[in-house]
Amino acid sequence: GAVVSQHPSWVICKSGTSVKIECRSLDFQATTMFWYRQFPKQSLMLMATSNEGSKATYEQGVEKDKFLINHASLTLSTLTVTSAHPEDSSFYICSAKASGGAGSKNIQYFGAGTRLSVL
Amino acid sequence: AQSVTQPDIHITVSEGASLELRCNYSYGATPYLFWYVQSPGQGLQLLLKYFSGDTLVQGIKGFEAEFKRSQSSFNLRKPSVHWSDAAEYFCALGGSNYKLTFGKGTLLTVNP
Repeated sequence: GAVVSQHPSWVICKSGTSVKIECRSLDFQATTMFWYRQFPKQSLMLMATSNEGSKATYEQGVEKDKFLINHASLTLSTLTVTSAHPEDSSFYICSAKASGGAGSKNIQYFGAGTRLSVL
Repeated sequence: AQSVTQPDIHITVSEGASLELRCNYSYGATPYLFWYVQSPGQGLQLLLKYFSGDTLVQGIKGFEAEFKRSQSSFNLRKPSVHWSDAAEYFCALGGSNYKLTFGKGTLLTVNP
């Protein structure tokens, strides 16, 4: 159980175009999902917290107009990188927090990540 | 502010040898602690977690970790490493709003 699917796994796009990444919790409901960015050989940097039915909360320094997050259902959150540029090239990972009991609320289950390459 | 420190950037062990990966944390309350493993180009897989209770927690793939409040540590151990254990290991601290703070990771290389 507790599977998070992230799609696509790899995307190449031209500079100036937009790219949408999907994150789905397959076998549980997730009122909260998280989006991370990971640079090569570095740790995960939290970009934003996505809450179902409300606006996402962005971490300091993350441009909300560039990284659009939508969490329209209990099992789906999307991250859209708008007007992508080469500096947006990175590995993006989503996670979903289970909506269960007190303990499980603190567990995040991660997708496999999306490698974005902007030419 | 909460923080996680993984002092070892890279560790190399021989297959069959024992392993200990270090993790220290800073947090003002009782922490929720996690160890995740990441294979190249992949997401993170949860190895084990500590919320409360028994300070020695067992995880998947033969891993265990011990929470030591007095040392603010949550070290990961495995008695006998397999070649398939080669990966990046992240220690994480769960704080307010269910956000995770990650350490910088420890890359494990396993020699045959």
